[in-house]
Amino acid sequence: AQSVTQPDIHITVSEGASLELRCNYSYGATPYLFWYVQSPGQGLQLLLKYFSGDTLVQGIKGFEAEFKRSQSSFNLRKPSVHWSDAAEYFCAVGISNFGNEKLTFGTGTRLTIIP
Amino acid sequence: KAGVTQTPRYLIKTRGQQVTLSCSPISGHRSVSWYQQTPGQGLQFLFEYFSETQRNKGNFPGRFSGRQFSNSRSEMNVSTLELGDSALYLCASSLEGRDYGYTFGSGTRLTVV
Repeated sequence: AQSVTQPDIHITVSEGASLELRCNYSYGATPYLFWYVQSPGQGLQLLLKYFSGDTLVQGIKGFEAEFKRSQSSFNLRKPSVHWSDAAEYFCAVGISNFGNEKLTFGTGTRLTIIP
Repeated sequence: KAGVTQTPRYLIKTRGQQVTLSCSPISGHRSVSWYQQTPGQGLQFLFEYFSETQRNKGNFPGRFSGRQFSNSRSEMNVSTLELGDSALYLCASSLEGRDYGYTFGSGTRLTVV
């Protein structure tokens, strides 16, 4: 079965600093990979997704992620964070199995931004 | 266009009662999935409906059920509520499901006392 690991429960960065959130997945075939963000009391908003092709994926709000098959990783990056980026971030994997589509989420990384 | 609408936003129920949550997908979306989010277990897949048929089911007891209507609106029902059912229940809709083009609603916060 597929699984997702987000090793960092909580990360604090200064406004304007760069950010990298880690994500490792386990899945036997080529996965579909996603990053979602959740603000308090809200649902999930898709930041970016990887299905195939170019391993560097650009998303909304200035985020990008790189798929590294050899490391089973899909880390999220942003060159300069803004106070409004404070939220919880979830990495997810979707299996490429016809008729059995669902998302398996990591446990999330809470991002705090300090002035 | 209107997003995914979940009602109610907040709900308080007593142990042993049952509850029904509603999800109205984006117009034209035929797939509706449900997820449970708790601090202890995180986000877990409940089930997916497509064209009024349950197509996929997660690992939850039979107390959790759902259905989808011809207009793609979906409901989920939890019977004989337990304290551990307290959670944020999220609904996500997409055109086909397998396109993974999910849009999530803001969720229903269920508290069981």
